[in-house]
Amino acid sequence: NAGVTQTPKFQVLKTGQSMTLQCAQDMNHEYMSWYRQDPGMGLRLIHYSVGAGITDQGEVPNGYNVSRSTTEDFPLRLLSAAPSQTSVYFCASSPTGRQLFFGSGTQLSVL
Amino acid sequence: RKEVEQDPGPFNVPEGATVAFNCTYSNSASQSFFWYRQDCRKEPKLLMSVYSSGNEDGRFTAQLNRASQYISLLIRDSKLSDSATYLCVVNPYGGSQGNLIFGKGTKLSVKP
Repeated sequence: NAGVTQTPKFQVLKTGQSMTLQCAQDMNHEYMSWYRQDPGMGLRLIHYSVGAGITDQGEVPNGYNVSRSTTEDFPLRLLSAAPSQTSVYFCASSPTGRQLFFGSGTQLSVL
Repeated sequence: RKEVEQDPGPFNVPEGATVAFNCTYSNSASQSFFWYRQDCRKEPKLLMSVYSSGNEDGRFTAQLNRASQYISLLIRDSKLSDSATYLCVVNPYGGSQGNLIFGKGTKLSVKP
């Protein structure tokens, strides 16, 4: 069972570059979300989606875009990477918005 | 006041010890509560939900005190494999669209 698959696992960007973090789930979950985890800060919600075509902002949305064209996929786009976006990113899905199933994370460094 | 607060630890305990973690939350209307476990450099995974009447899963016991807005996790007979960071998680909105709020986590290290 694949569950929630995130790619890439590691990424190094230069300031100003753009990139997309991929997230796919094969559990037919309606709810998907993106969190970032920084030392001493805990997990913070970036964006979330309650179904295809519906997205909304979380606690720290600035500098990130999302779209949800299918139930399975929820990519996170960094438009112009900044050093402050250096973090570990987790995608998660849930059938109910209660228990979250996380991907294995993407470690992003912005130089 | 932060939405979900935990003692960051670390808690260093010997094998077989009993250890308790505490968590407070600020939104009195919060609907549901969880403990997640996160191993080093891994993703968080659900450990257990927390119910008003308290609940137990093997060596783990979770308690909720709504009046004090306080959640606890008790681990009995600690094992080396219990070493991890324990995240207190609150759903402040309820329903299927709740966005979970995570505490910063309490680190547990169980020593031989």
